[in-house]
Amino acid sequence: AQTVTQSQPEMSVQEAETVTLSCTYDTSESDYYLFWYKQPPSRQMILVIRQEAYKQQNATENRFSVNFQKAAKSFSLKISDSQLGDAAMYFCAYRSASYGGATNKLIFGTGTLLAVQP
Amino acid sequence: DARVTQTPRHKVTEMGQEVTMRCQPILGHNTVFWYRQTMMQGLELLAYFRNRAPLDDSGMPKDRFSAEMPDATLATLKIQPSEPRDSAVYFCASGFKGTEAFFGQGTRLTVV
Repeated sequence: AQTVTQSQPEMSVQEAETVTLSCTYDTSESDYYLFWYKQPPSRQMILVIRQEAYKQQNATENRFSVNFQKAAKSFSLKISDSQLGDAAMYFCAYRSASYGGATNKLIFGTGTLLAVQP
Repeated sequence: DARVTQTPRHKVTEMGQEVTMRCQPILGHNTVFWYRQTMMQGLELLAYFRNRAPLDDSGMPKDRFSAEMPDATLATLKIQPSEPRDSAVYFCASGFKGTEAFFGQGTRLTVV
């Protein structure tokens, strides 16, 4: 069974600085998707970024980028020029690209709570 | 602006009462998830539907919980009878095939 591990329960960053959140996963599949979701105090789950496993190029969305290391099964999120609005819980998630059975569910890590200091 | 709609946003009920939570997935999405979020357990997958058929409900307490999709525009999660330990935020999410899921705003349930 696939698992997602986030080993940093909490992180802190100064405003305008850069922070990296870690995520590792375990799977025997070769084709899958990885995601980072953000959950601010409003509790809304917001998709931040998506990475397809077959793509070697790391995904980027404005100030958010990932470091995807497929062989190491690592998927970290880098937030550049951190802003106060980035303070939130961040969840890493995995989803099989196989569309044939119940294994296609979205699996989450335990989350990393990011604080942004002014 | 397509979004997943969940009702109610908040629910306070007494122990033993039936609770029904509703979700309207994004039009065209064929997969629906129900998650429960608590401080202790984090995000737990309760049920997963594809094309309205339940594919996985192994995370759901079968004795009191039930999930259905009467049609493509409505997913429901029922708890009967409710217990204080069911207090949590319940999220519905929808997606298309194997890609990302989009979440509703959640239902905060308090059972007293």
